[in-house]
Amino acid sequence: QQQVKQSPQSLIVQKGGISIINCAYENTAFDYFPWYQQFPGKGPALLIAIRPDVSEKKEGRFTISFNKSAKQFSLHIMDSQPGDSATYFCAARSGGTYKYIFGTGTRLKVLA
Amino acid sequence: DGGITQSPKYLFRKEGQNVTLSCEQNLNHDAMYWYRQDPGQGLRLIYYSQIVNDFQKGDIAEGYSVSREKKESFPLTVTSAQKNPTAFYLCASSHGLAGGRTGELFFGEGSRLTVL
Repeated sequence: QQQVKQSPQSLIVQKGGISIINCAYENTAFDYFPWYQQFPGKGPALLIAIRPDVSEKKEGRFTISFNKSAKQFSLHIMDSQPGDSATYFCAARSGGTYKYIFGTGTRLKVLA
Repeated sequence: DGGITQSPKYLFRKEGQNVTLSCEQNLNHDAMYWYRQDPGQGLRLIYYSQIVNDFQKGDIAEGYSVSREKKESFPLTVTSAQKNPTAFYLCASSHGLAGGRTGELFFGEGSRLTVL
């Protein structure tokens, strides 16, 4: 129940295409859902985040879609660029706690 | 510049030795965390601390120890009891959750530990 399942494990997209990464969860106590971007040898950096009372959040080329009834959320990267090539992690946090549960990551490669 | 500093970036250890990884933050964050990252397994929580002189075990605390004597510092000791210590270790910090804050995590650059 504490897991966050992330797919796909890896993704190859052409430059200018749309990258879509999906996550699913079971625990209805989760109240905050961030996405992190990590480049090789670096720490993850917060990309975008959403709370469950919102169905969609957009920041530039990055959009989170959230489906509370299905317990699923996804990251969409529009107009994908080679510089977006990185590993992306979804995460979820139980309400009122400091504990985050992370997905297993998606390695994205954008071809020039 | 505000941020989280981890050291060393690379560390090699012989079996049976304890090693300590340093983590310092100047973001004035209340909470600090240690995560372990292994290929294909995401990030797993080792320990976290909400306030000075207090810390809680995460999901994989066995073989690790921490201290939180100062708000800015949260060192992690990997003991000889940790059976498979080779990994990438990430320190993070966040604001507390009071006042509706999201408590988003800010990560350091990581420390890669290799056991020889």
